[in-house]
Amino acid sequence: AAGVIQSPRHLIKEKRETATLKCYPIPRHDTVYWYQQGPGQDPQFLISFYEKMQSDKGSIPDRFSAQQFSDYHSELNMSSLELGDSALYFCASSSRDRRPEETQYFGPGTRLLVL
Amino acid sequence: AQTVTQSQPEMSVQEAETVTLSCTYDTSESNYYLFWYKQPPSRQMILVIRQEAYKQQNATENRFSVNFQKAAKSFSLKISDSQLGDTAMYFCAFQASGTYKYIFGTGTRLKVLA
Repeated sequence: AAGVIQSPRHLIKEKRETATLKCYPIPRHDTVYWYQQGPGQDPQFLISFYEKMQSDKGSIPDRFSAQQFSDYHSELNMSSLELGDSALYFCASSSRDRRPEETQYFGPGTRLLVL
Repeated sequence: AQTVTQSQPEMSVQEAETVTLSCTYDTSESNYYLFWYKQPPSRQMILVIRQEAYKQQNATENRFSVNFQKAAKSFSLKISDSQLGDTAMYFCAFQASGTYKYIFGTGTRLKVLA
């Protein structure tokens, strides 16, 4: 079965640079979620989109923005990168039109390292 | 605000034996969903099992089962016949009905010993 695709899988950036992470949800999934997992920590919810509209917002810094496009893929844009942004960034997707709509299926993650 | 607590940072179990991972949560919501996710060394997040709060019957998926005690706000995971491939970090997660985000516990690192 098709899974959530994230690109790139690894990314190295310098401080103050920008980064764009991409997420392609499971086909026919309409909801996308972004999580950040720091070293040795649990995943923290950043933001979610349902049918291309922001549906919930968590602890996402103002330097970050995200959107969901008409084909349901999503991009997380990160500017003015800081050392503390180094983390594993997960995208997950689900379908609100089908049960179990609450189950989120996670991608493999993008590992971001800020130097 | 909801919180999820996993009080066992690390556990180990012998292959073929049974182990139980604990999870407690705090919420004022009446309808919600609970999940266990497994994160092996590859760091992929893999769904193990889910439980709807309105269901009294405990969920079961092959060797994995839960003990859901709604009044006590407890949601433990039992792994039977443990296998080496079960070695991973296990996260308990909570989602209130009608919301989008998961709230994760801090995880329990499980090591299955040969």
